[in-house]
Amino acid sequence: DAKTTQPTSMDCAEGRAANLPCNHSTISGNEYVYWYRQIHSQGPQYIIHGLKNNETNEMASLIITEDRKSSTLILPHATLRDTAVYYCIVIGGNKLVFGAGTILRVKS
Amino acid sequence: DTAVSQTPKYLVTQMGNDKSIKCEQNLGHDTMYWYKQDSKKFLKIMFSYNNKELIINETVPNRFSPKSPDKAHLNLHINSLELGDSAVYFCASSQEIGASGTDTQYFGPGTRLTVL
Repeated sequence: DAKTTQPTSMDCAEGRAANLPCNHSTISGNEYVYWYRQIHSQGPQYIIHGLKNNETNEMASLIITEDRKSSTLILPHATLRDTAVYYCIVIGGNKLVFGAGTILRVKS
Repeated sequence: DTAVSQTPKYLVTQMGNDKSIKCEQNLGHDTMYWYKQDSKKFLKIMFSYNNKELIINETVPNRFSPKSPDKAHLNLHINSLELGDSAVYFCASSQEIGASGTDTQYFGPGTRLTVL
């Protein structure tokens, strides 16, 4: 079973920041938070991951709370092409367990 | 220069047939995976191979047999196909698990299998 809880769906206006929350209250000290997304009919795409510190790359930022029980993925300027299912995954080995994810709809 | 490729992209076949799906990665990774995404869209891991050795084998029927001729390839052979095998199958790869305890997985485009 997935160790994370995410909202079923969210809407975001094009050009605005998309903030996707994730709860992982049972996360262990050596487990990472990973984010993937799946655009319709494509393979899952890696976005970002982190352990304790906030992380940023060319795609997104990841904010992890100090107690590590929740995190937020931020897409700073959402575009229509960011419409996808976003998966938050907690992992301490190489076995990804995908939940239902959040359907993000970016609207013009 | 696709990183993880799968063939075929679509596969339509009759119940009872045997079929194979091929996966290749050119990332130099040591670990490869097969996932199944059913009609409800849940992605579930099936197998994982590291340097041609099986390291994860979820509760998958033994009609499914992964074969890794070398560390760049992980093929999935399915015997006696059933209607319930209809799904999208994704291959993935990652570098060997490092000291950090995990590593990013990169996925192929998927193979949509339809069993009639």
